[in-house]
Amino acid sequence: ETGVTQSPTHLIKTRGQQVTLRCSSQSGHNTVSWYQQALGQGPQFIFQYYREEENGRGNFPPRFSGLQFPNYSSELNVNALELDDSALYLCASSQAATNEKLFFGSGTQLSVL
Amino acid sequence: SQQGEEDPQALSIQEGENATMNCSYKTSINNLQWYRQNSGRGLVHLILIRSNEREKHSGRLRVTLDTSKKSSSLLITASRAADTASYFCATDEGEAAGNKLTFGGGTRVLVKP
Repeated sequence: ETGVTQSPTHLIKTRGQQVTLRCSSQSGHNTVSWYQQALGQGPQFIFQYYREEENGRGNFPPRFSGLQFPNYSSELNVNALELDDSALYLCASSQAATNEKLFFGSGTQLSVL
Repeated sequence: SQQGEEDPQALSIQEGENATMNCSYKTSINNLQWYRQNSGRGLVHLILIRSNEREKHSGRLRVTLDTSKKSSSLLITASRAADTASYFCATDEGEAAGNKLTFGGGTRVLVKP
């Protein structure tokens, strides 16, 4: 157990809908990163939040957005869902904007029909 | 895009044997990390090796790094059925590269009892 919790664990949406995924970071961690993992592939970086500000972003369109709250929990929002958005979404927490050891949650499996 | 490419993509061994997997990457790095993932859920950090280190050990794990060849290897000695998982290398290129880890495609390891 890493202490990072994600909700929901599974989600089914239809194309064009919007979705919000949630993540609670490990105690003492002020940095949250989000990754998308398609079936059979490695995780791809979406963005990182540090002290409630976006602190880095991968090659994802603006319809992927996020928030970090004062308690360092975080949300990932995806608008106008596309079929290719079907994937496992992983949240990871760490200390002080580093990536030296990420603690991952169990992920949210999103299916877009 | 994925910087790290792993080889082999899949590996099947008997319990007690050693498992070796390799990772190649393309750009300069601050550190390289290995993670394990069971059944498509959250990733677990195994070991980190910095760019100025050549070899590191942790329990039954041995990691090497050759920055001149831009490659790393992970050796799991005396494998157990519980080592069955996917293993990913991830490179940290630092703040200038966007505060992210770049993961490879993974090696799927099956340890047969």
